[in-house]
Amino acid sequence: AQSVTQPDIHITVSEGASLELRCNYSYGATPYLFWYVQSPGQGLQLLLKYFSGDTLVQGIKGFEAEFKRSQSSFNLRKPSVHWSDAAEYFCAVKAAGNKLTFGGGTRVLVKP
Amino acid sequence: GAVVSQHPSWVICKSGTSVKIECRSLDFQATTMFWYRQFPKQSLMLMATSNEGSKATYEQGVEKDKFLINHASLTLSTLTVTSAHPEDSSFYICSALGQPVNTEAFFGQGTRLTVV
Repeated sequence: AQSVTQPDIHITVSEGASLELRCNYSYGATPYLFWYVQSPGQGLQLLLKYFSGDTLVQGIKGFEAEFKRSQSSFNLRKPSVHWSDAAEYFCAVKAAGNKLTFGGGTRVLVKP
Repeated sequence: GAVVSQHPSWVICKSGTSVKIECRSLDFQATTMFWYRQFPKQSLMLMATSNEGSKATYEQGVEKDKFLINHASLTLSTLTVTSAHPEDSSFYICSALGQPVNTEAFFGQGTRLTVV
């Protein structure tokens, strides 16, 4: 069965510093991978997705992610975080039946 | 991107009553809708998958008689929490997948249910 692991439950970063969120997946076939962001009490907004092709994917809000098949990873990065980036971030893999399996999430706190 | 509207955003109900949550795709046809439950500071857990015109498929451990799902049209799915109890209090989120974009599901804004 597929699974997604986000090793970091919380990350605190200073505004203007770079951010990297880790995601490791387990899936037998070629994965469809997603990163979502969730603000408190809100639904999920898609940041970016990887289906095939270029392993470096650009998303919205200045985020990017790199798919590394050899490491079963899909880490999310942003060069310079803004206070508005404080939120919960979820990595997900799409499996059979178009079902999404989510990681546990990483809460990002941004220090002024 | 496509828009999914979930209503209500929050609801408070008394124990023993039922509450209905609606999930609408506003600008596309949702052939498949997913319902998730999210406990505080936790990830999303898939409850069920519904295809338009068919019975919902529930994940293991989800009571189908407690969480009634109807997907009668290509733009509307409903989740009814029957005989609600305080332990049903949670954040419920729907997502919809359909045409013309069928490679990703779009999420509603979620419904905070509090049972008192």
